[in-house]
Amino acid sequence: DIQMTQSPSSVSASVGDRVTITCRASQGISSWLAWYHHKPGKAPKLLIYAASSLQSGVPSRFSGSGSGTDFTLTISSLQPEDFATYYCQQATSFPRTFGQGTKVEIK
Amino acid sequence: QVQLVQSGAEVKKPGASVKVSCKASGYTFTTYDINWVRQATGQGLEWMGWMNPNSGNTGYAQKFQGRVTMTRNTSISTAYMELSSLRSEDTAIYYCARGSRSFDYWGQGTLVTVSS
Repeated sequence: DIQMTQSPSSVSASVGDRVTITCRASQGISSWLAWYHHKPGKAPKLLIYAASSLQSGVPSRFSGSGSGTDFTLTISSLQPEDFATYYCQQATSFPRTFGQGTKVEIK
Repeated sequence: QVQLVQSGAEVKKPGASVKVSCKASGYTFTTYDINWVRQATGQGLEWMGWMNPNSGNTGYAQKFQGRVTMTRNTSISTAYMELSSLRSEDTAIYYCARGSRSFDYWGQGTLVTVSS
């Protein structure tokens, strides 16, 4: 199975801050990576697919980059609704696997 | 609009089985895979398996092989996930999600509690 490792596990930030989350795959996954935003009691929401493609309806402050084994999710200016847990997920092989999550908390 | 609506919360005893449903609307059910993902309390997201609603083909994570069965009823655009031999560690929120590689629509989640 492909292991996905996110860092940091948590980050404290303020509204307006730029936040970067990284995701590393245990083997190359080309650009088959997705990012999700998840709040307690809600369904996860797809933000980015194919490493850098913005899902329809997602604000442009979210961006993704990377290929191979190293990927990044950037939130350019954190908004109150962005405080949540973020997960990466590899989409190149079965089983699909998620990172352990990065919790973005209010500073 | 696309919606996936799941069945309600369940409480089961250890050793029992649970069957969760996921009713799709707003799109042609047979044209997108359905995946099942769970989240135990305080844990991350865990992919369980997928099903092609058109063919009925399935693929399961090895961890759940032999305990999970994913089926569908195309006449009512509904997918099902049945998990057997439940244990306390299976207490989690179970989600269905549409897509083959990335998952663009998710159900609201179904809490399954396993307790004696």
